[in-house]
Amino acid sequence: GENVEQHPSTLSVQEGDSAVIKCTYSDSASNYFPWYKQELGKRPQLIIDIRSNVGEKKDQRIAVTLNKTAKHFSLHITETQPEDSAVYFCAANSNSGYALNFGKGTSLLVTP
Amino acid sequence: EPEVTQTPSHQVTQMGQEVILRCVPISNHLYFYWYRQILGQKVEFLVSFYNNEISEKSEIFDDQFSVERPDGSNFTLKIRSTKLEDSAMYFCASSEAGGGMEQFFGPGTRLTVL
Repeated sequence: GENVEQHPSTLSVQEGDSAVIKCTYSDSASNYFPWYKQELGKRPQLIIDIRSNVGEKKDQRIAVTLNKTAKHFSLHITETQPEDSAVYFCAANSNSGYALNFGKGTSLLVTP
Repeated sequence: EPEVTQTPSHQVTQMGQEVILRCVPISNHLYFYWYRQILGQKVEFLVSFYNNEISEKSEIFDDQFSVERPDGSNFTLKIRSTKLEDSAMYFCASSEAGGGMEQFFGPGTRLTVL
């Protein structure tokens, strides 16, 4: 089945700095790559997603890049704020398209 | 904004008992999912459901698990004989379509098996 690897597992940055989280996937049939933010005790919430026909997507301070050849995608957060502190999960859909296979998560801490 | 809802928020049960977790997906969504998250770990896919059928399931979703859409609004996950290792947060999700559409997650049900 699909295997999604995510790095780093923890990331600490100063407010205003950038944060980058990287994921790789194994199934070349995957064509949908969402990123979810999960605050403690809350539901995962989609922050940005990208499909395989696009190489980059940006939404204000958040951007995602996708390299299909290398099977990796990355989340970039610029001008980080303390409220960005949370666990971030990348995911890739299965070859059937239905399941989302998640990475192990990155715990991001933004210190003032 | 419409949201996925789940009940109960917390369920405590004895090992070997049956539990039913309930979800109300977003009303115009056609695809429904269950995921689980063991404390401190990643979110794991259990099953997807479309048109009153399971469309995909993971290795975790064995014979102890079943899903049902008993009426036009509810979507349930039943665990027949709970084990200690079933303790986790169970998230329901729904999407308008399959194959790479945003999945909206519910708030989760925390299942504790004693």
